[in-house]
Amino acid sequence: QSVLTQPPSASATPGQRVTISCSGSSSSIGSNPVSWYQQFPGTAPKLLMYNDNQRPSGVPDRFSGSKSGTSASLAISGLQSEDEADYYCATWDDSLNGWVFGGGTKLTVL
Amino acid sequence: QVQLQESGPGLVKPSETLSLTCTVSGGSVSSGSDYWNWIRQPPGKGLEWIGYIYYSGRTNYNSSLKSRVTMSIDTSKNQFSLRLSSVTAADTAVYYCARAQGIEYFHHWGQGTLVSVSS
Repeated sequence: QSVLTQPPSASATPGQRVTISCSGSSSSIGSNPVSWYQQFPGTAPKLLMYNDNQRPSGVPDRFSGSKSGTSASLAISGLQSEDEADYYCATWDDSLNGWVFGGGTKLTVL
Repeated sequence: QVQLQESGPGLVKPSETLSLTCTVSGGSVSSGSDYWNWIRQPPGKGLEWIGYIYYSGRTNYNSSLKSRVTMSIDTSKNQFSLRLSSVTAADTAVYYCARAQGIEYFHHWGQGTLVSVSS
């Protein structure tokens, strides 16, 4: 069982907006920046969002991140078929003194 | 552009030691702002952080694996390594090495290497 809680799946049709949540605790999300990773089958995760809401160069502005208290969210607007992937949240946990990940959310574009 | 590449045996016998090396190019493992991590992903499952090593040799391991994990760094070869002892089938996973900006985010990942534990 993962320290960070994500819904196992999400789905939407092309063009729609979808949000993926990530719930943690005061020692994890409540105290440290959240990052998000996109992973396609058979490939390594790729940094999608860092420091809660910052996009690395090359990531479309359709992707946005937010955080409130002990929860974070990743939003994808104008959904495209190529966004179909697994998405993971991650952060440092002060109590565990280590990195923790969400269990991952499989996004399906209908 | 920093690139990381894992290498090591793809098959390890139960009770033996898994050994992997990550070779870094386009950057230096001696960078003071970077932490060098190992992360694994069992088939069909999520990501699990194994631990990190700093250029000074300072390490920090996941408490659930701490008794079996050893990491080392070779600045002359620009490499860092993972050893996981007494492996079982539960250690079968894709193992990734990754560069982290402090404890903020993982900005570069290796392609991953599948290690199977089987007799």
